[in-house]
Amino acid sequence: AQSVTQPDIHITVSEGASLELRCNYSYGATPYLFWYVQSPGQGLQLLLKYFSGDTLVQGIKGFEAEFKRSQSSFNLRKPSVHWSDAAEYFCAVAVMEYGNKLVFGAGTILRVKS
Amino acid sequence: DAGVTQSPTHLIKTRGQQVTLRCSPKSGHDTVSWYQQALGQGPQFIFQYYEEEERQRGNFPDRFSGHQFPNYSSELNVNALLLGDSALYLCASSLVQGGYTFGSGTRLTVV
Repeated sequence: AQSVTQPDIHITVSEGASLELRCNYSYGATPYLFWYVQSPGQGLQLLLKYFSGDTLVQGIKGFEAEFKRSQSSFNLRKPSVHWSDAAEYFCAVAVMEYGNKLVFGAGTILRVKS
Repeated sequence: DAGVTQSPTHLIKTRGQQVTLRCSPKSGHDTVSWYQQALGQGPQFIFQYYEEEERQRGNFPDRFSGHQFPNYSSELNVNALLLGDSALYLCASSLVQGGYTFGSGTRLTVV
């Protein structure tokens, strides 16, 4: 079965510190990969996506992610976290063979301490 | 260029009632998907509409139904509401192959 795993439910980092959020997926085919951010009570905002090509993807708000096929991973990184980055982050995959629906991980809540 | 618009923003219903949620996709998008996000969880795929037909369905009972109109807008209907249907319902629009744009969601509370 298709699945997306975000191993960390909560992460707390200091403002200005670096950040890495982990995401692993389980699929037979190469998926399309996404990271979304959600503030409390709000919808999902796309941070970045990977369809093909360069495995290091740049997104909005200074985020980047790296696709590693051998590890079935798509980890999200940011070199210096700002207090406004506190939110919940979701990794998602879509596989064309499965009708292009999105399958989400359970999310990682990021807390930023000053 | 408007993004995805969902209405209403919030609503409260009683168990056993029926509810209709609405979604207008981003301009140029022809595919609409619906997701249910329970508190503290990631969104779960309900179904997807393309060319006015349900193209794919997630693991949701038949109480959940939908419709897509010729202008690509969509409705999600839920019959015989249960307390467990309380959630944030998200609509996402896309092209057949492409990225997804999400609306801000409809917060449904069943009492």
